Amino acid sequence: AQTVTQSQPEMSVQEAETVTLSCTYDTSESDYYLFWYKQPPSRQMILVIRQEAYKQQNATENRFSVNFQKAAKSFSLKISDSQLGDAAMYFCAYRSAETSGSRLTFGEGTQLTVNP
Amino acid sequence: NAGVTQTPKFQVLKTGQSMTLQCAQDMNHEYMSWYRQDPGMGLRLIHYSVGAGITDQGEVPNGYNVSRSTTEDFPLRLLSAAPSQTSVYFCASSYSFQGNTIYFGEGSWLTVV
Repeated sequence: AQTVTQSQPEMSVQEAETVTLSCTYDTSESDYYLFWYKQPPSRQMILVIRQEAYKQQNATENRFSVNFQKAAKSFSLKISDSQLGDAAMYFCAYRSAETSGSRLTFGEGTQLTVNP
Repeated sequence: NAGVTQTPKFQVLKTGQSMTLQCAQDMNHEYMSWYRQDPGMGLRLIHYSVGAGITDQGEVPNGYNVSRSTTEDFPLRLLSAAPSQTSVYFCASSYSFQGNTIYFGEGSWLTVV
């Protein structure tokens, strides 16, 4: 079974600065997908960014980018120019390429605080 | 297009009572799942379905039943509620096997007293 670990229960960053959230995973599969989800206090699950394991290029979405190290099984999220609205719980998630579409394995989450 | 709709949003149950959390999607998605989220933990998979009439267990299925009689609906039944089932429940769906876009409902807060 796959596992996802987020070793930082809490992180804080000053507004306009950069922060990196860590995620490691364990799998024996070679083809899979990795996700970062944002969960604000409303509990809504918002997809931040997605990475396909077969793509060597790191995914980028505006101020959000990932550092995907397949050999090290590491998938960190970098948030640049942090904004107050970025404050939320962030979850790293794994999905096998062989399993059905909405089955995800989540990490424990990292609570991000953005200080003005 | 309402996406994934969960009802109720909030519910308080007494120990031993039964109830059903409803999940409906109007996107013709084959794949649907139920998760629970406990404090300090990520979402954990309870049950999932790959199409009408086909369901299977996830990581934490004990105490829950599901059925999938239509593509649109995937209800989650608590047979005899226990305080350990106090949690936030999320329903999710996706269209393709690759699941590149996974849609989540807004969550259902359940308290068992």
